[in-house]
Amino acid sequence: GQNIDQPTEMTATEGAIVQINCTYQTSGFNGLFWYQQHAGEAPTFLSYNVLDGLEEKGRFSSFLSRSKGYSYLLLKELQMKDSASYLCAAMDSNYQLIWGAGTKLIIKP
Amino acid sequence: SQTIHQWPATLVQPVGSPLSLECTVEGTSNPNLYWYRQAAGRGLQLLFYSVGIGQISSEVPQNLSASRPQDRQFILSSKKLLLSDSGFYLCAWSDRDKDTGELFFGEGSRLTVL
Repeated sequence: GQNIDQPTEMTATEGAIVQINCTYQTSGFNGLFWYQQHAGEAPTFLSYNVLDGLEEKGRFSSFLSRSKGYSYLLLKELQMKDSASYLCAAMDSNYQLIWGAGTKLIIKP
Repeated sequence: SQTIHQWPATLVQPVGSPLSLECTVEGTSNPNLYWYRQAAGRGLQLLFYSVGIGQISSEVPQNLSASRPQDRQFILSSKKLLLSDSGFYLCAWSDRDKDTGELFFGEGSRLTVL
């Protein structure tokens, strides 16, 4: 079956760095997405990786290893507004997204 | 620029009552459209997707249905709600001409069935 695993919750300190891991098992693979979702709001797109390696976008970076079925989202210089859930989703061979349950990130001052 | 809007934002309905959630997209043509449900502690569940007017694919058998009467309009309906239909419903669109398949979500509709 198809499956996405990511931690349920993480806690970090303002100004620090945090890495949110995601492992996936899908029928075929057409890319890995990360979305941010603040409580009670809709998800918003953060990143897309289809090739191995690191993609950097400001304070956020996303890494993919297709051979390991693994990705991580790296958040630097954490701010209080980064408190949110981070959703990992893998696109299968039918171009359908398989979603993880999300990682709730709590930022403490 | 493209925008997506869904309504109502919140809804409290009794068991057995009907449901209609509406979603419209502006600023793009012939989008792929999706209805998702998000339950607490679980991943987004794809309910329906549509690649064109009148073309609906159902991913999960249930008492919900979807319709696409116009190119940029997507409606989620039910004739009789169940308690298990409670959740956060999200409409989304994607540009079929882009390889990434990035989704753009509406604001969400929180449904509570009592």
